[in-house]
Amino acid sequence: KAGVTQTPRYLIKTRGQQVTLSCSPISGHRSVSWYQQTPGQGLQFLFEYFSETQRNKGNFPGRFSGRQFSNSRSEMNVSTLELGDSALYLCASSLGGLADTQYFGPGTRLTVL
Amino acid sequence: GENVGLHLPTLSVQEGDNSIINCAYSNSASDYFIWYKQESGKGPQFIIDIRSNMDKRQGQRVTVLLNKTVKHLSLQIAATQPGDSAVYFCAIYGETSGSRLTFGEGTQLTVNP
Repeated sequence: KAGVTQTPRYLIKTRGQQVTLSCSPISGHRSVSWYQQTPGQGLQFLFEYFSETQRNKGNFPGRFSGRQFSNSRSEMNVSTLELGDSALYLCASSLGGLADTQYFGPGTRLTVL
Repeated sequence: GENVGLHLPTLSVQEGDNSIINCAYSNSASDYFIWYKQESGKGPQFIIDIRSNMDKRQGQRVTVLLNKTVKHLSLQIAATQPGDSAVYFCAIYGETSGSRLTFGEGTQLTVNP
């Protein structure tokens, strides 16, 4: 069974731009969640989608948004990029949600210049 | 919400020794606890989990202990091997604490041959 895949793996943007990251979950998984990982703040929960609906949300500004498609693939968008948005963005999928085992992808490394 | 702390940011052990990594949490309503391993350049990998109705769970060479009285979680790795070198995170989930996964800061485990 293929694991969680994320594209692109690396991305360089400049301040003020926007970016879209993509996540393909494990086949059969309906929940996709997103996380930001930085050396200073560690791993922080962004949001979770299940069956195309956002079910849970972390404490991030509205510049961070996401969506999920009918095939469970998910995208995350960050608008008006700031230097502090440089991070590793991880997505994870699970069968039923955050109370189930999360399987993580390799992440997208975003650098904002 | 939930605050998750870790006792040691780094741990160095000799190959063959047992390793113990600790986490402390704040919300007594938390009900699902997970340990992840993250190797350099990869996403977190699930190791073992435990629900709040248990106090011990064993896997292959790993044991998780949950002490709800003092709100403490530990991961024990038996006969630690060089391949165990990684960053280890605890993650905590509770539906009454915001329905999100909260991660500890991580312990860098180094296994010396």
